[in-house]
Amino acid sequence: DVKVTQSSRYLVKRTGEKVFLECVQDMDHENMFWYRQDPGLGLRLIYFSYDVKMKEKGDIPEGYSVSREKKERFSLILESASTNQTSMYLCASSSSGVHTDTQYFGPGTRLTVL
Amino acid sequence: GNSVTQMEGPVTLSEEAFLTINCTYTATGYPSLFWYVQYPGEGLQLLLKATKADDKGSNKGFEATYRKETTSFHLEKGSVQVSDSAVYFCALENAGNMLTFGGGTRLMVKP
Repeated sequence: DVKVTQSSRYLVKRTGEKVFLECVQDMDHENMFWYRQDPGLGLRLIYFSYDVKMKEKGDIPEGYSVSREKKERFSLILESASTNQTSMYLCASSSSGVHTDTQYFGPGTRLTVL
Repeated sequence: GNSVTQMEGPVTLSEEAFLTINCTYTATGYPSLFWYVQYPGEGLQLLLKATKADDKGSNKGFEATYRKETTSFHLEKGSVQVSDSAVYFCALENAGNMLTFGGGTRLMVKP
């Protein structure tokens, strides 16, 4: 069974803290994605990765960075958390191909920055 | 750029009612189209998809037809159940295996 796991379901951090969100997939997928989900805005792509050590900016990369040292793991980093980064963060993965394959999502991490 | 517009929710229905959630899109070319569903406390999961014009995607009693002439991909179900209560997202394929999502529509089904 396909599985994408995220390190935490809920996190509370303080402004200025460095925050790490971890995502692991067990499907040997090449592509991994980080989104944030906010009411009325749907999902917005922060960063994605096509392969190990590769990363590309999505629509809203400001204030975030990512790391992909191993194929199965994709980390999202908030260098200095701010209150406007309070959100639900979703990780997803998919296999590569000519057409977009199904993206498989983790359960999400709800981050609150105080 | 590409964009997806969904009807705003919440949509509240009684059990066994007919459901329509509207989705229209703007895109270059002919992207694949998707409906994802998010049940409470969970991540998104694929509900159905269509890869070319006039294709009909279907799953769990839900259907959506890829209408190129109206750039639409409306989600329908003939008889909703309480267990269908969730948030539904319409999405389209961009180049490079990426998706553009609509804002989501919350469906609430009452017994």
